[in-house]
Amino acid sequence: EPEVTQTPSHQVTQMGQEVILRCVPISNHLYFYWYRQILGQKVEFLVSFYNNEISEKSEIFDDQFSVERPDGSNFTLKIRSTKLEDSAMYFCSSGLADLSEQYFGPGTRLTVT
Amino acid sequence: KQEVTQIPAALSVPEGENLVLNCSFTDSAIYNLQWFRQDPGKGLTSLLLIQSSQREQTSGRLNASLDKSSGRSTLYIAASQPGDSATYLCAVRGNTPLVFGKGTRLSVIA
Repeated sequence: EPEVTQTPSHQVTQMGQEVILRCVPISNHLYFYWYRQILGQKVEFLVSFYNNEISEKSEIFDDQFSVERPDGSNFTLKIRSTKLEDSAMYFCSSGLADLSEQYFGPGTRLTVT
Repeated sequence: KQEVTQIPAALSVPEGENLVLNCSFTDSAIYNLQWFRQDPGKGLTSLLLIQSSQREQTSGRLNASLDKSSGRSTLYIAASQPGDSATYLCAVRGNTPLVFGKGTRLSVIA
């Protein structure tokens, strides 16, 4: 069964460093998303991406964040200058259409020290 | 702004019991509602998607209902098993992609 994959599973970085989190969505899906979950808190929407551009973003998704689909399979989230409060689990998801079921990857645990 | 609440926050039941998890949302203008399962430190596994025009959706021992006008959904799990132990998340799709509740942590005791 097709699934969303994410790498790395765990990333440790120092404050101020740039990180890139990678996702491979399900191959025939057209809509891609990033969410995050701070430990003990709700899963929060960050950004949605369709047709090579951002279709929606939350207040959390400020200028420190960017997304890209560099090729036909990968979908990346870049955090330009990490802060301690960026420590969280980051989930990628994909869907066939805008309002269809979303399938999530296993997540990348980001730890900023 | 959409808010999603799940009650109870935690639930412990003996194996074999039927149980109901509750989800409520403040804005009834939703397109669909999705139930997920999350194991500790893991990703989200989609269990069921209910469209706003549907009242119920079933998958195996799981049955989800939706009452859009009252802003409520329930997830019914029949004949619970220890392998059902996980956190169950409810998420609604309205004008923003998926707004999540905090989840109900379920423990099924053998």
